[in-house]
Amino acid sequence: KAGVTQTPRYLIKTRGQQVTLSCSPISGHRSVSWYQQTPGQGLQFLFEYFSETQRNKGNFPGRFSGRQFSNSRSEMNVSTLELGDSALYLCASSWGPGSDEQYFGPGTRLTVT
Amino acid sequence: QQQVKQSPQSLIVQKGGISIINCAYENTAFDYFPWYQQFPGKGPALLIAIRPDVSEKKEGRFTISFNKSAKQFSLHIMDSQPGDSATYFCAASFIQGAQKLVFGQGTRLTINP
Repeated sequence: KAGVTQTPRYLIKTRGQQVTLSCSPISGHRSVSWYQQTPGQGLQFLFEYFSETQRNKGNFPGRFSGRQFSNSRSEMNVSTLELGDSALYLCASSWGPGSDEQYFGPGTRLTVT
Repeated sequence: QQQVKQSPQSLIVQKGGISIINCAYENTAFDYFPWYQQFPGKGPALLIAIRPDVSEKKEGRFTISFNKSAKQFSLHIMDSQPGDSATYFCAASFIQGAQKLVFGQGTRLTINP
């Protein structure tokens, strides 16, 4: 069974630009969560989608947004990029509410210059 | 109250020894406690998880010990091997919101051959 896939793997953007990251969950999984990983703040929850609806949201500004499609694939968008947005963005999938186990993808390394 | 505190930040163990990583939490509503292993350039991989209705869970060389009254849990790696060298994260969540994980800061484990 294929794991969680994320594209692109690496991205370099300039301050003020916007970026869209993509995540394809494990086949059959309907919940997708996004996390930001930085050396200073560690792993922080961004948001979670299930059945195309945002179920949970972390403490991030409105510049960070996401969506989920009917096939459970998800995208996250960051607008007006800041230098501090440089991070590894990780996507995790699970079966859905009440399902404990989350499986992470390899992440997208975003560098903002 | 949402924090999970992890220690130590880094740990060096000789091959064949026991590696022990500790975590403490404050929110007694947490009821799912997973451990993740992350290698450089990879996403976190689910290693082992426990719920507070048991005090210990063992899978191969990996054991979670859970102390509900002290609000602490730990990961023990028996017969540590150089291939275990990685960063380990503890996490916590609510079962109904299991997709929203709160992570510890991570422990960089090095196993010397």
